[in-house]
Amino acid sequence: GDSVTQMEGPVTLSEEAFLTINCTYTATGYPSLFWYVQYPGEGLQLLLKATKADDKGSNKGFEATYRKETTSFHLEKGSVQVSDSAVYFCALRNYGQNFVFGPGTRLSVLP
Amino acid sequence: NAGVTQTPKFQVLKTGQSMTLQCAQDMNHEYMSWYRQDPGMGLRLIHYSVGAGITDQGEVPNGYNVSRSTTEDFPLRLLSAAPSQTSVYFCASSYGDRGYEQYFGPGTRLTVT
Repeated sequence: GDSVTQMEGPVTLSEEAFLTINCTYTATGYPSLFWYVQYPGEGLQLLLKATKADDKGSNKGFEATYRKETTSFHLEKGSVQVSDSAVYFCALRNYGQNFVFGPGTRLSVLP
Repeated sequence: NAGVTQTPKFQVLKTGQSMTLQCAQDMNHEYMSWYRQDPGMGLRLIHYSVGAGITDQGEVPNGYNVSRSTTEDFPLRLLSAAPSQTSVYFCASSYGDRGYEQYFGPGTRLTVT
């Protein structure tokens, strides 16, 4: 079945550092790809998404590009803030299928 | 829109007790789902529904029942609570097509003693 692999972390960075969280997927067909963020004690919130190859999703300074040739959707941010500390989930959704989530990556940003 | 709402926010049960976790959405989404989140385990799908009157099992359905009598509501029933069901439970909803994201509720933190 479909699956999502992402670096599990924890990832610890200093404020203003560059962030990359890797995400790769295995899927039949042509899924949509998502990044969700979970702040402590809250539910998941959509961060960004992409629905076709070479699409770039972006929000709050975060970006990810749908790379069909490498089956990847890596999350990047040029300068992280303490407020970005959270757990980040990569996910996919295929035609007629449920969402498939990666295991999550915990990010801690130190001042 | 209130989005996806869940009640209660916290609950403590004794082993063997039953209870219902409530979930409602006001976005007219046909797809609804229940997940549990345990430390180090990510999200695991319990049950899901693609429309009123239609439900199906996910990855970890044992010990849980669901029903979907209306588009808005999707309650999750614990039949006889066990300590292994201690977890945080999230309800989510979305439109049915692959391009649409899920909206999550704030979660219910359940402890079974």
